Amino acid sequence: DTEVTQTPKHLVMGMTNKKSLKCEQHMGHRAMYWYKQKAKKPPELMFVYSYEKLSINESVPSRFSPECPNSSLLNLHLHALQPEDSALYLCASSRGTSGRDSSYNEQFFGPGTRLTVL
Amino acid sequence: DAKTTQPPSMDCAEGRAANLPCNHSTISGNEYVYWYRQIHSQGPQYIIHGLKNNETNEMASLIITEDRKSSTLILPHATLRDTAVYYCTPSGGNKLTFGTGTQLKVEL
Repeated sequence: DTEVTQTPKHLVMGMTNKKSLKCEQHMGHRAMYWYKQKAKKPPELMFVYSYEKLSINESVPSRFSPECPNSSLLNLHLHALQPEDSALYLCASSRGTSGRDSSYNEQFFGPGTRLTVL
Repeated sequence: DAKTTQPPSMDCAEGRAANLPCNHSTISGNEYVYWYRQIHSQGPQYIIHGLKNNETNEMASLIITEDRKSSTLILPHATLRDTAVYYCTPSGGNKLTFGTGTQLKVEL
């Protein structure tokens, strides 16, 4: 199984709602990632979990709260979002590295969740 | 993080080789050069990566200059399905920083 799955595919939420995005992989990967992608822009890294611990937070606002319950699952909890947070949210996983060695650390991406905040 | 420069768009005739350049003059010694592509409305897809030597796999070839300041991704026989945005991204550890990429359009 070389697939990263994301649910839901589409999500529409109001600014007062609380929702969660889910990501799952069964490749035995130990690093998982959240990216945000606005239209016609490249993906921007938000969070990295390495061996189930948060290792990188790219100064993301606290209304986005990541969670890694186990090595196969990654969640992104959303609360009090703004319309400008509307974007494609991509999850990815990779074998995971220790230190700075990035050999054989290609990332496998899911299809994304298209989020609209009203 | 190393910065990248890629042409915003390129066209290629189907069946011909597509050569996509990338400048990464600030790449660090331990950073690999990774290439990904993103077909419209899909997640990015890994293509190939390399450190110093040229690399080839079933999808593409990667040529890295001796000084490692630039690289070229080669799709030897482009097809319509290769139409996508192509990103080169130096990477150390777990972090990928995508530049603006090159929109490759393959036409009949």
